[in-house]
Amino acid sequence: EIVLTQSPGTLSLSPGEGATLSCRASQSVSSSYLAWYQQKPGQAPRLLISGTSNRATGIPDRFSGSGSGTDFTLTISRLEPEDFAVYYCQRYGSSLWTFGQGTKVEIK
Amino acid sequence: EVQLLESGGGLVQPGGSLTLSCAASGFTFSNFAMNWVRQAPERGLEWVSTISYNSDNTPYAESVKGRFTISRDNSKNTLYLQMNSLRAEDTAVYYCTKGDRGISPRVFDCWGQGTLVTVSS
Repeated sequence: EIVLTQSPGTLSLSPGEGATLSCRASQSVSSSYLAWYQQKPGQAPRLLISGTSNRATGIPDRFSGSGSGTDFTLTISRLEPEDFAVYYCQRYGSSLWTFGQGTKVEIK
Repeated sequence: EVQLLESGGGLVQPGGSLTLSCAASGFTFSNFAMNWVRQAPERGLEWVSTISYNSDNTPYAESVKGRFTISRDNSKNTLYLQMNSLRAEDTAVYYCTKGDRGISPRVFDCWGQGTLVTVSS
């Protein structure tokens, strides 16, 4: 089973700064099947990025995804107050859906 | 607008049973795979099960295989999760999610607000 490891566990940043979140897979993952979700406190997760780099409907362009093979990245170019949340990467393959453990982006 | 409304959560004793429901609206339910994803308190997300648009494919996470059964009623636009032999480690918020295609969804593109299941004596 492919394991997704996200780093760092917590990122402390100020509004306006950029954020780089990492998701590393234990084996190579098809870029078509790598996604990112955002979860704010007390809310359900929402889809941000599918297929490594495709923003979901309504997601601002300050969010971007990249990567291939075993290393994937979610970049937030300039943090807005509403971006402070937990971010999860997720992978689909062989009728299994796996999430990373999450990265919390908190206000410094 | 897509809406997913879960119900059926609550407190249940270890070894007990519970059935969750998810009423869907705002899209053609019968065209899309549906899924359950859970989140234990202060923990991350865990995929539980998926059902294809026609109910022919129903994979499960190893942690629930043999105890949970996913089903759907396309005439009622409703998704179900029958949970038997519940354990303390099944305590979580259970989210109903919509897949992005009819079989083997790549992503979960819409999420309900979740229903809390607590397994405790």
